Amino acid sequence: AQSVTQLDSQVPVFEEAPVELRCNYSSSVSVYLFWYVQYPNQGLQLLLKYLSGSTLVKGINGFEAEFNKSQTSFHLRKPSVHISDTAEYFCAVSDMEYGNKLVFGAGTILRVKS
Amino acid sequence: DAGITQSPRYKITETGRQVTLMCHQTWSHSYMFWYRQDLGHGLRLIYYSAAADITDKGEVPDGYVVSRSKTENFPLTLESATRSQTSVYFCASTGTDTQYFGPGTRLTVL
Repeated sequence: AQSVTQLDSQVPVFEEAPVELRCNYSSSVSVYLFWYVQYPNQGLQLLLKYLSGSTLVKGINGFEAEFNKSQTSFHLRKPSVHISDTAEYFCAVSDMEYGNKLVFGAGTILRVKS
Repeated sequence: DAGITQSPRYKITETGRQVTLMCHQTWSHSYMFWYRQDLGHGLRLIYYSAAADITDKGEVPDGYVVSRSKTENFPLTLESATRSQTSVYFCASTGTDTQYFGPGTRLTVL
């Protein structure tokens, strides 16, 4: 069985500061990894995904994530955040089967302060 | 418009009533999913479907029923709603390697 741990439930940060949202996963098989963002009262939007190849993945809105197989991590980073980045971020893992059935972490709320 | 839609967006019901949440996608994706979102739990999989007439349980299936007579529709039914089923429900479908989500249905069971 797979599981995902998002190590911080909330991350407060000032505008224009860098941020890292941490994600660790466990799985006995190869996986796909995803980060989704959810703005208040909205659905989930894909930020970025790791399927194979380069371990550094770039996504939308200036976000990037690095896949580290030895540490089973997939941390999300942004060098300079904006107020508009305030949202909840979900890390998810898929075992590449069953239509990419996802297992989600509990989410991290990013609060960007001015 | 192409995409995935859910209806209703908001629903209030009473304990013991039957409720059906609708999900429709226009991409002809084979796989469709239902998740529930609760504070502190992220999203948890209720049921999924690999194709019309093929469904399977996810992590939290108890109290829910699904059907899939057509590829584009995947309704979720709460046969006898309970307060613990108060949640936000998301439908999703999978393209080549990415899952796309609907806007969600906020269900309150009184």
